[in-house]
Amino acid sequence: DTGVSQDPRHKITKRGQNVTFRCDPISEHNRLYWYRQTLGQGPEFLTYFQNEAQLEKSRLLSDRFSAERPKGSFSTLEIQRTEQGDSAMYLCASSSGQRVTSPLHFGNGTRLTVT
Amino acid sequence: QKEVEQNSGPLSVPEGAIASLNCTYSDRGSQSFFWYRQYSGKSPELIMSIYSNGDKEDGRFTAQLNKASQYVSLLIRDSQPSDSATYLCAVNYILTGGGNKLTFGTGTQLKVEL
Repeated sequence: DTGVSQDPRHKITKRGQNVTFRCDPISEHNRLYWYRQTLGQGPEFLTYFQNEAQLEKSRLLSDRFSAERPKGSFSTLEIQRTEQGDSAMYLCASSSGQRVTSPLHFGNGTRLTVT
Repeated sequence: QKEVEQNSGPLSVPEGAIASLNCTYSDRGSQSFFWYRQYSGKSPELIMSIYSNGDKEDGRFTAQLNKASQYVSLLIRDSQPSDSATYLCAVNYILTGGGNKLTFGTGTQLKVEL
């Protein structure tokens, strides 16, 4: 169990640029989640995959955001035309499908700064 | 009303004391609850889960759940400086396909003082 891995750890970009983040879940976990966390707040749910299917998207996920999990393994989160309000920690988490309440294991996150 | 509410703190306790962290939630149908610990600049780390009314103990940690009062708490006995962190309460909602959407509170910052 090597844990959830996210890349990059930090990303600084200029407003209007596109950015892409990668998440590698725990290998036997078929469920993958993206969350966003801003300073002083708890993580907020963005989207959820079961295997390669994206089953749930928050209304927080505007049309500038897109997430994929093409082979049911790693996932990418892309933000197009970044805005300063997109500055946040983007957290990926995974869980097994063994139980309905299987806990989420979080990666170390990607901290995005939009200048 | 926020779905999950926590006092942001900071809550300061002396080393060796019991720290009591509280959380209330609005959805009476919620069934499962989690406590995560988050050190500054790090990702949330699962401490405990609780699903049934009453107490659940794991080492120095005790989670308490009262569904009638829509209240969850976390007690940390013999608090250590290394316990200084933000503690996030999360309420679970079941998603399509059985996935879990955690709704988090804003977290309570705990400071354990020497």
